[in-house]
Amino acid sequence: KAGVTQTPRYLIKTRGQQVTLSCSPISGHRSVSWYQQTPGQGLQFLFEYFSETQRNKGNFPGRFSGRQFSNSRSEMNVSTLELGDSALYLCASSLPASGKISYEQYFGPGTRLTVT
Amino acid sequence: AQKVTQAQTEISVVEKEDVTLDCVYETRDTTYYLFWYKQPPSGELVFLIRRNSFDEQNEISGRYSWNFQKSTSSFNFTITASQVVDSAVYFCALSFGNAGNMLTFGGGTRLMVKP
Repeated sequence: KAGVTQTPRYLIKTRGQQVTLSCSPISGHRSVSWYQQTPGQGLQFLFEYFSETQRNKGNFPGRFSGRQFSNSRSEMNVSTLELGDSALYLCASSLPASGKISYEQYFGPGTRLTVT
Repeated sequence: AQKVTQAQTEISVVEKEDVTLDCVYETRDTTYYLFWYKQPPSGELVFLIRRNSFDEQNEISGRYSWNFQKSTSSFNFTITASQVVDSAVYFCALSFGNAGNMLTFGGGTRLMVKP
């Protein structure tokens, strides 16, 4: 089974620009989550999508948004980039959480975003 | 609030030594899940184990073992006879209640295994 894929792997953008990152989950996984990893803040949850609906959202400003398509692929968008947005953005896929049951997530290789 | 603490930021051992990575968590939920992930230098997080709050049995998988103790809110990870390939950053994480698959991560422990 193919793993989680993320594109692009590396990006360099300028302050004020916007960026779109893409994630394709493992076949059969309908839940996709996004995380930001920085040296200072560590791994932080951005949002989770299931059935094209945002299910959970972390504590990030509205400049961070996402969406999920009917084939479970997901994109995240960051508008008006700031220097502090430089990070590794990780996408993870899993079976959808049900009731109080949550499942292990499988992570992609990440997109390393550098904002200059 | 939910929180995961990995007090050891960096550990260095010599190959074949046993090493234990500590994880302490905080949550008010009675139903929660604990995870361990490995992040090698390549950067991709690799899933190691998932454990729910109702299952306190210890688990062993090859050289890896996990000790879950609700009384001390700890979920520690031991690598027996460490190898150079075990060098990585290890993260403990928590998901809880109705928060879906949202993970709260600890700060990670960097393990360096020297030959």
